[in-house]
Amino acid sequence: DTGVSQDPRHKITKRGQNVTFRCDPISEHNRLYWYRQTLGQGPEFLTYFQNEAQLEKSRLLSDRFSAERPKGSFSTLEIQRTEQGDSAMYLCASSHPPGQGNTEAFFGQGTRLTVV
Amino acid sequence: SQQGEEDPQALSIQEGENATMNCSYKTSINNLQWYRQNSGRGLVHLILIRSNEREKHSGRLRVTLDTSKKSSSLLITASRAADTASYFCATDLGYSTLTFGKGTMLLVSP
Repeated sequence: DTGVSQDPRHKITKRGQNVTFRCDPISEHNRLYWYRQTLGQGPEFLTYFQNEAQLEKSRLLSDRFSAERPKGSFSTLEIQRTEQGDSAMYLCASSHPPGQGNTEAFFGQGTRLTVV
Repeated sequence: SQQGEEDPQALSIQEGENATMNCSYKTSINNLQWYRQNSGRGLVHLILIRSNEREKHSGRLRVTLDTSKKSSSLLITASRAADTASYFCATDLGYSTLTFGKGTMLLVSP
């Protein structure tokens, strides 16, 4: 399967715990995006990388959220001191950058986080 | 904030009928994309239409774009039960980060 892969698919955690999610993009895509989706809403953009550079992170929801893509391949999204309001689906997507072929984003299946 | 807003919020039709969903947005765009999402799953890319295009087809899908009205429509012809899903429009302002609407939930009954 050469699509975007996310792990884990589901995560249940207690309030106050830290969680980390992993995303493996399509190998030839150097753009990687993180989105969050709550029930009944469309995905909300959080941050994105081009290769290992994080080009936009002002939309991360708070300083408890951080993302890395250290080698320009897979990425991790970490939420520290989780709160019940963090319960959502976290989606990763990848694409070519503008000017390099089709720029449609391909999404993974998401990680569903439940904070209890 | 939501850039795109889909209309209607929910649509229920019979198999074989056509389904039309509309999307309005607020600012100038580079392109607009439509996605499908089955319940609890990831998003599947359907079609991308650039700001200088007016209409695009892909199989049973037809997308139109009217930049003067800042609106787009997605038409699914000869719908099937398997088309049941939520459909989202997403606008790309040129940076490849997408802004999604709240989606239209389509139910196709056999």
